[in-house]
Amino acid sequence: SYELTQPPSVSVSPGQTARITCSGDTLPQQYVYWYQQRAGQAPVLIIYKDSERPSGIPERFSGSTSGTTVTLTISGVRAEDEADYYCQSADNNGGYLRVFAGGTKLTVL
Amino acid sequence: EAQLEESGGGLVQPGGSLRLSCVASGFDFGETEMNWVRQTPGKGLEWLSYISLSSSVKYYSDSVKGRFTISRDNAKNSLFLQLSRLTADDTAVYYCARDTRGSDGFDLWGQGTLVTVSS
Repeated sequence: SYELTQPPSVSVSPGQTARITCSGDTLPQQYVYWYQQRAGQAPVLIIYKDSERPSGIPERFSGSTSGTTVTLTISGVRAEDEADYYCQSADNNGGYLRVFAGGTKLTVL
Repeated sequence: EAQLEESGGGLVQPGGSLRLSCVASGFDFGETEMNWVRQTPGKGLEWLSYISLSSSVKYYSDSVKGRFTISRDNAKNSLFLQLSRLTADDTAVYYCARDTRGSDGFDLWGQGTLVTVSS
């Protein structure tokens, strides 16, 4: 089955850099999308196609890829960045499938 | 401003049915592929279903195939999800989500509607 894996939690102090990884065997062939979900709110797309930022998303959010692992980097973390972050990818072979990883809780200390 | 607004959630008994709606505004709904995604309490996100512009193509996750039906009414800027044969495992917040044009992500989400399956 198609699976993506994220660490359950990451903690950083304000101003530091947070890195959240997403791993999956098919990631070298598929793009990854990242979503931020603050408490009680709907998810928001913050990175698409591994490293592109939608308009309105701060430059301190960036994405990179290396083999089977994709990384979301948040530079200069702020208190407002505390949220759950989800990566998502696709498998369109033989149909249409969108898969989310389990999410990472980012805690700003 | 582009927006999606879901409605139709509520409490339903096991084995029951429910119809969710999602109204779009601020963008050309008829030119946008749409999806439903759910989030179980305290857990992560699960893609459920996709529908093409003209409703000619529909896809479902294995977990809901045969029980849920996606549809749309472009004249009313509306997306629907008919839920049937519900179980406790279907208890979740259900989101409608817009396909990101030219890629495989979701660039606009509604605020969600809660479905609780319980006797």
